[in-house]
Amino acid sequence: DIQMTQSPSSLSASVGDRVTITCRASQSISSYLNWYQQKPGKAPRLLIYAASSLQSGVPSRFSGSGSRTDFTLTISSLQPEDFATYYCQQSYSILYTFGQGTKLEIK
Amino acid sequence: QLQLQESGPGLVKASETLSLICTVSGGSISSDTYYWDWIRQPPGKGLEWIGGIYYSGSTYYNPSLKSRVTISVDTSKNQFSLNLSSVTAADTAVHYCVRRGANGHFDYWGQGTLVIVSS
Repeated sequence: DIQMTQSPSSLSASVGDRVTITCRASQSISSYLNWYQQKPGKAPRLLIYAASSLQSGVPSRFSGSGSRTDFTLTISSLQPEDFATYYCQQSYSILYTFGQGTKLEIK
Repeated sequence: QLQLQESGPGLVKASETLSLICTVSGGSISSDTYYWDWIRQPPGKGLEWIGGIYYSGSTYYNPSLKSRVTISVDTSKNQFSLNLSSVTAADTAVHYCVRRGANGHFDYWGQGTLVIVSS
């Protein structure tokens, strides 16, 4: 299995802050990396696919970068609705695996 | 707008079979571009891919669950289903049905349904 490790596991930030979440794969996954946002009691929502492609309807303050084993999700200016848990997911291997999640909380 | 909706019992007894159906509306399950998958999330924990199916019937399973999982598709009803046998308390989770794109990303999700395994 390809292991996905996110850091940090939790993060406190303020509205307007720039935030970066990191995801590391246990082996090279090229650009087969996707990011999701999940709010309590809701299904995850796709934000970024193929490492850096913004899903339709997702605000441009979200961006993704990286390749091979190291990836980042950046929120350029945090909005109140962005406080949620974020997951990365690799799609290089058919055994799809997710990171453990990063909980973004209000400072 | 594509919508997916899970249905099935919310409570299953240990050692029995968990059975869920996902109904797809607003689009055809017979699209040659997409796959149809199941993902679960134990309460307070992360996401685990269970497996998926193509409209032709080709299936893909998580090896850790493969011996207990069956996913099937009914194109006439625009539905696909999940059966997980010999369940234990560890199988208690919110189960999501999702659409998977060719790149392997999950772009449409059902609202999720909590299945509790009772002893």
